[in-house]
Amino acid sequence: GDSVTQMEGPVTLSEEAFLTINCTYTATGYPSLFWYVQYPGEGLQLLLKATKADDKGSNKGFEATYRKETTSFHLEKGSVQVSDSAVYFCALTESGGGADGLTFGKGTHLIIQP
Amino acid sequence: GAVVSQHPSRVICKSGTSVKIECRSLDFQATTMFWYRQFPKKSLMLMATSNEGSKATYEQGVEKDKFLINHASLTLSTLTVTSAHPEDSSFYICSAPVVGGDTQYFGPGTRLTVL
Repeated sequence: GDSVTQMEGPVTLSEEAFLTINCTYTATGYPSLFWYVQYPGEGLQLLLKATKADDKGSNKGFEATYRKETTSFHLEKGSVQVSDSAVYFCALTESGGGADGLTFGKGTHLIIQP
Repeated sequence: GAVVSQHPSRVICKSGTSVKIECRSLDFQATTMFWYRQFPKKSLMLMATSNEGSKATYEQGVEKDKFLINHASLTLSTLTVTSAHPEDSSFYICSAPVVGGDTQYFGPGTRLTVL
């Protein structure tokens, strides 16, 4: 079945550092890929998504590119802020995000220090 | 954006009792809702798909008779954990896509503790 593998944390960085959180996937078809963020005490929020190969999703300074050849969807941000501290989940669905549930990675806890 | 609520946010119950968790879409209609379970330091695992007006679809390994799902309206799905045991203690999260949309909106989750 489908699966998502992402680096496990916690990942601790200083403010303004460059961020990469790796995510790779296995899927039988051509999935849509997502990054969700969970701030302390809140529900998951969609951060960005990409629905086909070579698409780049971006939001709030974060970006990720759908790489079919390496089955990856790594999350990057050029300069992180303390407010980016949260748990980040990589996820996929074969159906486009609405009709079927999501397959999640285990989540990466990101800690940004001032 | 679309908002999904869950009630209660946390519940403690005795072993053998049943617990009902509600998931509501507050400002949109959802013909489909999803129920996930999240263990500590683990990913969310899809338990079942709740379909308005029809039976829920359960993922492999999820006991249908233990986790009863009812989707009585376009804005409400309920998950009832029947005859709860300590191993059912977990964080339960629901999500819903806007009809015709491709983005899922998540509730804040319900922490269940079974003593």
